[in-house]
Amino acid sequence: DTGVSQDPRHKITKRGQNVTFRCDPISEHNRLYWYRQTLGQGPEFLTYFQNEAQLEKSRLLSDRFSAERPKGSFSTLEIQRTEQGDSAMYLCASSLGGQGSNQPQHFGDGTRLSIL
Amino acid sequence: AQKITQTQPGMFVQEKEAVTLDCTYDTSDQSYGLFWYKQPSSGEMIFLIYQGSYDEQNATEGRYSLNFQKARKSANLVISASQLGDSAMYFCAMKVVVGGQFYFGTGTSLTVIP
Repeated sequence: DTGVSQDPRHKITKRGQNVTFRCDPISEHNRLYWYRQTLGQGPEFLTYFQNEAQLEKSRLLSDRFSAERPKGSFSTLEIQRTEQGDSAMYLCASSLGGQGSNQPQHFGDGTRLSIL
Repeated sequence: AQKITQTQPGMFVQEKEAVTLDCTYDTSDQSYGLFWYKQPSSGEMIFLIYQGSYDEQNATEGRYSLNFQKARKSANLVISASQLGDSAMYFCAMKVVVGGQFYFGTGTSLTVIP
């Protein structure tokens, strides 16, 4: 049973650079979520997809953040012109979803981003 | 708007004892789900237990049970017979059925003392 996979596990970059993270969900899951988590805090919702459609996006997400899920399978999260405040763990999760669904999410191990 | 509150930043429990982690929530929706996740120091988020708002019985999964009090809007996690491996951060989360977003609390750090 393959779980949610995220790549890379760690990313160190200089301020102002662009970074891209990848998430491969559990294969039969149609919903995919991105979260940001900083030390001592719970996961903060960024965006989620149902199949290839991006259904919700946090108001906290600036224009520097963009996410795609072009074929309804894997997803990428890109951060442009990174800032110090972007340093965090970026978590991906997937679930089975549909109208009236409340299936639990399953998380990947996360990508830890450090901005120098 | 939905909100999850976990008021215990840190908890200690003796090994083999039971412990209750508090969670209160706020929503105007009638149909929702409540979830608990465990996050060890290694970082992965592990799903523990789920309670639906219309479930009449409290959910149980092995040593985990959820004390659901709908009128008080609380969904406390009870861990029985604590083990050293239970030391971790614990997060309460909520999702309304009509909608996709999950809302997480700030977490409770549990330390099990030998």
